[in-house]
Amino acid sequence: GQQVMQIPQYQHVQEGEDFTTYCNSSTTLSNIQWYKQRPGGHPVFLIQLVKSGEVKKQKRLTFQFGEAKKNSSLHITATQTTDVGTYFCQGAQKLVFGQGTRLTINP
Amino acid sequence: DSGVTQTPKHLITATGQRVTLRCSPRSGDLSVYWYQQSLDQGLQFLIQYYNGEERAKGNILERFSAQQFPDLHSELNLSSLELGDSALYFCASSGGAGNQPQHFGDGTRLSIL
Repeated sequence: GQQVMQIPQYQHVQEGEDFTTYCNSSTTLSNIQWYKQRPGGHPVFLIQLVKSGEVKKQKRLTFQFGEAKKNSSLHITATQTTDVGTYFCQGAQKLVFGQGTRLTINP
Repeated sequence: DSGVTQTPKHLITATGQRVTLRCSPRSGDLSVYWYQQSLDQGLQFLIQYYNGEERAKGNILERFSAQQFPDLHSELNLSSLELGDSALYFCASSGGAGNQPQHFGDGTRLSIL
């Protein structure tokens, strides 16, 4: 079945440093979605990527979808304490979530 | 506020018991999804309903079942509960049948003693 691997599992950074999480699928994805879950909260939809090679930006967040539509990344520039949380990717077809990357930040 | 309502927020029960979790989707959404999140774990997809019909099935145990009613609210039934069933159960909804952003409720925290 479809597997979605996400790395790293944990990332601790100093405030102001950049952060990147990667999502890799064993199969081609029709689209991929990213979610953020704050500690004690529920997942919140961030973005959906559909096209091969697509790049989307939301302020300090940059999302990329690979050319082969099997991998994706989320990059945060100059992290802030409000970025703390777990970031999940989800492959659309099988509704499979990656294990998530937990981001913690030293202020 | 995502617009998805889950009740109850917390549930404490004993092994062997049966519980029902309830979810009301966002107004206008036809799909409901159920997920299980164990402590410090990822989100395990359980099942999806679309407009009253089962649409997709994930890693849902035979002891678990769900349904979606004509008013589109959904219930997840968990029976013969085991200690390992302790988790946060999320419901999400989306407008269509698939490949769409999902909006999550606050979850029901189930504790098995």
